[in-house]
Amino acid sequence: DAKTTQPTSMDCAEGRAANLPCNHSTISGNEYVYWYRQIHSQGPQYIIHGLKNNETNEMASLIITEDRKSSTLILPHATLRDTAVYYCVLYGTSGSRLTFGEGTQLTVNP
Amino acid sequence: NAGVTQTPKFQVLKTGQSMTLQCAQDMNHNSMYWYRQDPGMGLRLIYYSASEGTTDKGEVPNGYNVSRLNKREFSLRLESAAPSQTSVYFCASSAHADGGEKLFFGSGTQLSVL
Repeated sequence: DAKTTQPTSMDCAEGRAANLPCNHSTISGNEYVYWYRQIHSQGPQYIIHGLKNNETNEMASLIITEDRKSSTLILPHATLRDTAVYYCVLYGTSGSRLTFGEGTQLTVNP
Repeated sequence: NAGVTQTPKFQVLKTGQSMTLQCAQDMNHNSMYWYRQDPGMGLRLIYYSASEGTTDKGEVPNGYNVSRLNKREFSLRLESAAPSQTSVYFCASSAHADGGEKLFFGSGTQLSVL
């Protein structure tokens, strides 16, 4: 399974956009990029996913580079409640073996 | 609609004891999973079940067994608990999405093995 690389931690001011990067340079053509977040010690929560086009939903936007080797999750107006660990995960048609790395601890500061 | 329900929420075991972690989902999902999360670490897949009656090993299956009792329930058993199994255990089920599977997680079971 392809792996992802994320920064260990990031800070963001409340009300500003949070841009979380993810490197997946060995991604396969049939693998989707998924983002989840884990608030404190709760179970992870799905945020968004995409293949090659940019995606947007009520929670966030996902920007995937043209070569698909990296992506950025954007929280347009971060709030204190967005403080969490964010995981970038690859999912392919090979089956149900989603692998979560250590993710990025995002801290939103007042 | 409860989603994914795990029991118990907390458990303390002595080395060598056995126990079963229960998981049930009410979303009619085919696939279910068990993950463990050690302090400061990401989630590691223990076992998964793509459908009722099938189970497969994940990344860290040693010391665990699973049972997919029916479509709703997927249990994880520790036959002889060891301190290395102290962790938070998460159950998840997944819905087919355009491009893979969306996972829905339970709230976790915090297990301590003394």
